[in-house]
Amino acid sequence: SYVLTQAPSVSVAPGQAASITCGGNNIGNYNVHWYQQKPGQAPVLVVYNSRERPSGIPDRVSGFNSGNTATLTINSVEAGDEADYYCQLWVSTSDVVFGGGTQLTVL
Amino acid sequence: QLQLEESGPGLVKSSETLSLTCTVSGGSIISNNHYWGWIRQPPGKGLEWIGHVYYSGPTYYKSSLKSRVIISADMSKNQFSLKLSSVTAADTAVYYCGRMGSNGLMDVWGRGTRVSASS
Repeated sequence: SYVLTQAPSVSVAPGQAASITCGGNNIGNYNVHWYQQKPGQAPVLVVYNSRERPSGIPDRVSGFNSGNTATLTINSVEAGDEADYYCQLWVSTSDVVFGGGTQLTVL
Repeated sequence: QLQLEESGPGLVKSSETLSLTCTVSGGSIISNNHYWGWIRQPPGKGLEWIGHVYYSGPTYYKSSLKSRVIISADMSKNQFSLKLSSVTAADTAVYYCGRMGSNGLMDVWGRGTRVSASS
């Protein structure tokens, strides 16, 4: 089974950039999706197909995917960005995988 | 605007069957471009894909749950459902339903429903 690896936590000062990584074997060959989840709420899609943003997601949120690592970058981090972030990909119709999640803390 | 809402018992006895329904409003589950999926999240843990269904019936399940899961769609009611049999405490989680695109992205989620499996 395909495994996605995320660091448990990332901390960043307000106004700085946060990079959240998702590791997987040749993940660059897949479309990766990213979700933001705040406490007590359902996840929200913030990046799809590795680098596309749904409507309503600000352009300071971006995604990149190459080799064995996909990255979600949030520029000019704000207090409201504090949340858990999950990567996800569709390996096949019967295999959909989530990473373990990264907790973003804004210092 | 498409909305999804989970419903079902919040408490299930161990060894019994968990049954949840997701009601879709503001749109139809009859879509050539989407699947309808179930995701769960145990307390304090990450997201886990359970499976998904196409409106006309084909279903796809996580291999480790396959022997206990049935997901079905009801076009007449614009709903889809999850049944998980022989539950244990490990099945205690918040269960989410969602709309899934053809490459797995979930762009619309329900609010989630908490289910506890208890003896």
